[in-house]
Amino acid sequence: NAGVTQTPKFRILKIGQSMTLQCTQDMNHNYMYWYRQDPGMGLKLIYYSVGAGITDKGEVPNGYNVSRSTTEDFPLRLELAAPSQTSVYFCASSYSKGGTDTQYFGPGTRLTVL
Amino acid sequence: AQTVTQSQPEMSVQEAETVTLSCTYDTSESDYYLFWYKQPPSRQMILVIRQEAYKQQNATENRFSVNFQKAAKSFSLKISDSQLGDAAMYFCAYYTGNQFYFGTGTSLTVIP
Repeated sequence: NAGVTQTPKFRILKIGQSMTLQCTQDMNHNYMYWYRQDPGMGLKLIYYSVGAGITDKGEVPNGYNVSRSTTEDFPLRLELAAPSQTSVYFCASSYSKGGTDTQYFGPGTRLTVL
Repeated sequence: AQTVTQSQPEMSVQEAETVTLSCTYDTSESDYYLFWYKQPPSRQMILVIRQEAYKQQNATENRFSVNFQKAAKSFSLKISDSQLGDAAMYFCAYYTGNQFYFGTGTSLTVIP
């Protein structure tokens, strides 16, 4: 099992550009999450999904969109990138509710918006 | 709003000694979970230990144990027999209603 994979590992965007961060898990997990980690800070939840076709907002959803058309994939879309979106983005998954089950994290995507 | 506070930005411990990392949280919920995550320089987030709020018994995982004080909303992590591989950022996290909330982290240095 590859676990949770994220692409790309690094990306530099110009202000106003758009991009999609890819996240794939091969563990047949129902729950998937997107977080951002700003320098010197903890993770903040952007969006989560409890299954294919079902997504919901986390603590900091503004400026982002997600979709979950399959169990395996949970892409995060940035529209009109802004410098405030410079961060490290982590995708995570768990089989059942995050409190009762272990979250498995991807290696992260470092995004810089200039 | 849910908040998680880690008041120690940095801690250090001698190898083989014991260290305790502090965490407090603010919530009005009765059903929640608490976690400690480790983030080494590789950035990979690794679950260290989990505590269900309804359980009075403190969770333990080998050299890692917690002191869960529900009334005080306190959730500290004790690392016994510290090893060089324990050096990392440690994040306290709180989970309720499908949402996770993380503290700002404590950077742990292990001195040989």
